[in-house]
Amino acid sequence: EDKVVQSPLSLVVHEGDTVTLNCSYEVTNFRSLLWYKQEKKAPTFLFMLTSSGIEKKSGRLSSILDKKELFSILNITATQTGDSAVYLCAVDVGRFTGNQFYFGTGTSLTVIP
Amino acid sequence: NAGVTQTPKFQVLKTGQSMTLQCAQDMNHEYMSWYRQDPGMGLRLIHYSVGAGITDQGEVPNGYNVSRSTTEDFPLRLLSAAPSQTSVYFCASSEGDVPSTIYFGEGSWLTVV
Repeated sequence: EDKVVQSPLSLVVHEGDTVTLNCSYEVTNFRSLLWYKQEKKAPTFLFMLTSSGIEKKSGRLSSILDKKELFSILNITATQTGDSAVYLCAVDVGRFTGNQFYFGTGTSLTVIP
Repeated sequence: NAGVTQTPKFQVLKTGQSMTLQCAQDMNHEYMSWYRQDPGMGLRLIHYSVGAGITDQGEVPNGYNVSRSTTEDFPLRLLSAAPSQTSVYFCASSEGDVPSTIYFGEGSWLTVV
C-alpha cells in the first residue's frame, strides 16, 4: 500500500527561526514529489521534485529529494508569521495513464511574533 | 484565469438527502480527482478520472459516485448523505501523462446534519 508520512505533525516556532519539515514515502511507482502550502483554503503549489539531490529554491523556502532514502525535506529560513500554514507533501505514483497523487497528513506550522 | 471551478462553496444537507458537487476545469487536463479533507487526516482521494469516460475509485469511495462525460467536467454525487460525509471537498486536475502539478478548486464545505 502506498504511504506518505510527514513529520512533525505540528510545530510552533518564533519569527526568525529556521524550520525543517520532513516527508518520507513508500510507493510502488514514484513519478514526482510535490510540496503545497495550505492556509484555510485550497492548497497552493510550492515545489515539484523529480530528481535526487537537486535543490529547488524560492525565496526563503527550499526543498530537496533523496530517492535512495525515500524522503524529502522542506526548509524555511527566517520564518515570518505569514508562513503559518499547513504544509502538505504529495507523491505522484503515476499509475496507468495518468497522475495519481497520495498526500501526507500535513505539518501544521505556527510562527509566533 | 478560471482554472478549476467547483460549486457550491458551502452546503448544509439533511441525512439521507442527495446532492451533486460540480467541478469544471478549463486547462484541458486529462486527470481530474476529488479529495476530502478532515482534521488530522490530510487529503484523501475519493474518485479520480484519467480521461473522458474513464473513472476509478480512490481510497474512500463509499457513498460517492462520479462520471466524466466531458474532459472539462467531473461532478461528485453524494447518494444518501450521512453525517460522516461532513468534510471539505476539493476537486483537482492535472495534465495526466507527465509529472505535473495538481491544481485545486477553492473547496466545498459540506455539513450533513
